[in-house]
Amino acid sequence: DGGITQSPKYLFRKEGQNVTLSCEQNLNHDAMYWYRQDPGQGLRLIYYSQIVNDFQKGDIAEGYSVSREKKESFPLTVTSAQKNPTAFYLCASRLQGLLIYDYTFGSGTRLTVV
Amino acid sequence: QQQVKQSPQSLIVQKGGISIINCAYENTAFDYFPWYQQFPGKGPALLIAIRPDVSEKKEGRFTISFNKSAKQFSLHIMDSQPGDSATYFCAASIPYDKVIFGPGTSLSVIP
Repeated sequence: DGGITQSPKYLFRKEGQNVTLSCEQNLNHDAMYWYRQDPGQGLRLIYYSQIVNDFQKGDIAEGYSVSREKKESFPLTVTSAQKNPTAFYLCASRLQGLLIYDYTFGSGTRLTVV
Repeated sequence: QQQVKQSPQSLIVQKGGISIINCAYENTAFDYFPWYQQFPGKGPALLIAIRPDVSEKKEGRFTISFNKSAKQFSLHIMDSQPGDSATYFCAASIPYDKVIFGPGTSLSVIP
């Protein structure tokens, strides 16, 4: 079955640590996105990539970094510079095309700072 | 101009009632308007979507109404059920560009 796999489902980070969240898709989608969701809040765009080896900052990129070395993979690193990283992180992907708009989301990673 | 506004922030509806969520946008370049449904601890999933050349689209108990001149669109959930309790996001998009999401509406359907 095609889909997006995010891992781990739960992640605990000590203050000052960098952690990497995994996002893998086997949908052959071109574009991939990372969103942050805080309790009772909407989706805020962190980074996105429309093609391999290229990515753009979203609305809240500070304290985060990404790479897109393969079409299938778009890992997100939460660095120690992100002062309040506790949140629910969602990865999404979609094809690029004139009449193609819909995102497919993963099941999310819940990150907690301990 | 890239914003999508959404109201209400939260909504409580009796089982069997009609749930209505409203959204508005400014950018007339948007040409696709999806709604996503998110259950707690899960990622959002596409529920229903509409293009601006259509004033209404219905899929089962879910209906989108679209008013192009007012730049507004809404989701109606008929015969609301407890299983519909979730967060709903309206959104808007332009070809080859990222989707712009509204802030979400938390719907609770009580027995």
